[in-house]
Amino acid sequence: AQSVTQPDIHITVSEGASLELRCNYSYGATPYLFWYVQSPGQGLQLLLKYFSGDTLVQGIKGFEAEFKRSQSSFNLRKPSVHWSDAAEYFCAVGSNFGNEKLTFGTGTRLTIIP
Amino acid sequence: DSGVTQTPKHLITATGQRVTLRCSPRSGDLSVYWYQQSLDQGLQFLIQYYNGEERAKGNILERFSAQQFPDLHSELNLSSLELGDSALYFCASSVGGRTTGELFFGEGSRLTVL
Repeated sequence: AQSVTQPDIHITVSEGASLELRCNYSYGATPYLFWYVQSPGQGLQLLLKYFSGDTLVQGIKGFEAEFKRSQSSFNLRKPSVHWSDAAEYFCAVGSNFGNEKLTFGTGTRLTIIP
Repeated sequence: DSGVTQTPKHLITATGQRVTLRCSPRSGDLSVYWYQQSLDQGLQFLIQYYNGEERAKGNILERFSAQQFPDLHSELNLSSLELGDSALYFCASSVGGRTTGELFFGEGSRLTVL
C-alpha cells in the first residue's frame, strides 16, 4: 500500500528565508507525487506534481520540488518565503491514471515570522 | 475559487442523527472524491465516484454512504453520528480517466457532533 510521511509537523521560518519541507513516500512502482497547500479556511490547492521526466519540477507561487528515487523523497522548496505562504502543506502520492485517489501525508504547518 | 461547491459549510448536530453533505463538482469534471480531515487522522480518502459509478473506496465507515447523481453532483450521507465523526469533509473533483491527477477541492463542510 502506498503511504506518505511528512516528518515535520510544524516549521517556523523568517520572511525572506529559504524553505524546505520534507516528504518521504512508499510505493512499489513509479509514484505520482503531488504537493498541495491549504490556507486557513480553504480547500486544498495543487502546488505542483511529478509524474515522470525531469526530477526537478516547478510549481505555482515560486515553489519547486525534487524527486529523488534513491531516497524515496519529494521535498518542497522555496528560495524566499513570503508572509502569504503561511499555510498547511500536504504531500500526496497517487497510484495510476484512471483512479486518482490520493494518499496524503499528515501535513506540515508553516508559520512565517517577520 | 476551485469551482467545487460544498454545502453546508458548517453543520452542528447531535449524536445518533443523520446528515447529508452535498457537492457540486467543477463543470465538466466526471469524478468526485470525498475526504475526511480530522486532527487525529489527517486527510483520509473515503470514496470516489466516476460518472455515477463507484470507482474506489477508502476508509469509509458502513454508517456512511455516498452517491453521484446523473447531473454529477454528489451527496455524502452520514448516519448514526458519533462524536468522533466531527471533522471537516472535503469534496474534490477531477476530469477523471487518464488525466493529470489534479484534484480540485471545495472549501469543505465542517461537521460538529455534540
